[in-house]
Amino acid sequence: ILNVEQSPQSLHVQEGDSTNFTCSFPSSNFYALHWYRWETAKSPEALFVMTLNGDEKKKGRISATLNTKEGYSYLYIKGSQPEDSATYLCAFHGSGNTGKLIFGQGTTLQVKP
Amino acid sequence: NAGVTQTPKFQVLKTGQSMTLQCAQDMNHEYMSWYRQDPGMGLRLIHYSVGAGITDQGEVPNGYNVSRSTTEDFPLRLLSAAPSQTSVYFCASSPQKPGGWSYNEQFFGPGTRLTVL
Repeated sequence: ILNVEQSPQSLHVQEGDSTNFTCSFPSSNFYALHWYRWETAKSPEALFVMTLNGDEKKKGRISATLNTKEGYSYLYIKGSQPEDSATYLCAFHGSGNTGKLIFGQGTTLQVKP
Repeated sequence: NAGVTQTPKFQVLKTGQSMTLQCAQDMNHEYMSWYRQDPGMGLRLIHYSVGAGITDQGEVPNGYNVSRSTTEDFPLRLLSAAPSQTSVYFCASSPQKPGGWSYNEQFFGPGTRLTVL
């Protein structure tokens, strides 16, 4: 059974704070690591798909890094805004599993104005 | 494009009833999948398909059947509903790269909230 762990489970920050959270995944048979943003009452939407060790991706104030050798990815949000409040999911795609994604439990971020 | 559509949005069943959750996509994506979302459990893969005529089991397939007769549609059937199947169900699709591998993002439908009494 593949384990994908996210920490922390939840996070409360003030508007303007920068924050980061972690996704841990198996370091063997890596193919890709996905990050999704999931707002309440909506569907998950893709943020990043990362495939190479050392990858760094950025979209506005959100960025992510990838370390496939040690099996972790960090998601950073710079200067959090209330509209960043959502659950952030990571998903591991192993090289032996065609198309199969294993999701972590998510980190729920609440940004207070 | 409508993207990924799911029907119904809400459904209440009695234990033992059967039903089909519908999922369709108009993006010509080869890969489609079904997930269930339960509190504290994240998204768990039920079944997936890498193309018409091909399906495979995910992490939690028991009690569910799927078929993929067309590229567009991927229905999920509950054979005999149980209270443990109360959940929110999401369908997703993704383009498939040649050779059967894909690391493209998944596009999710709006979800179906199912309650089994």
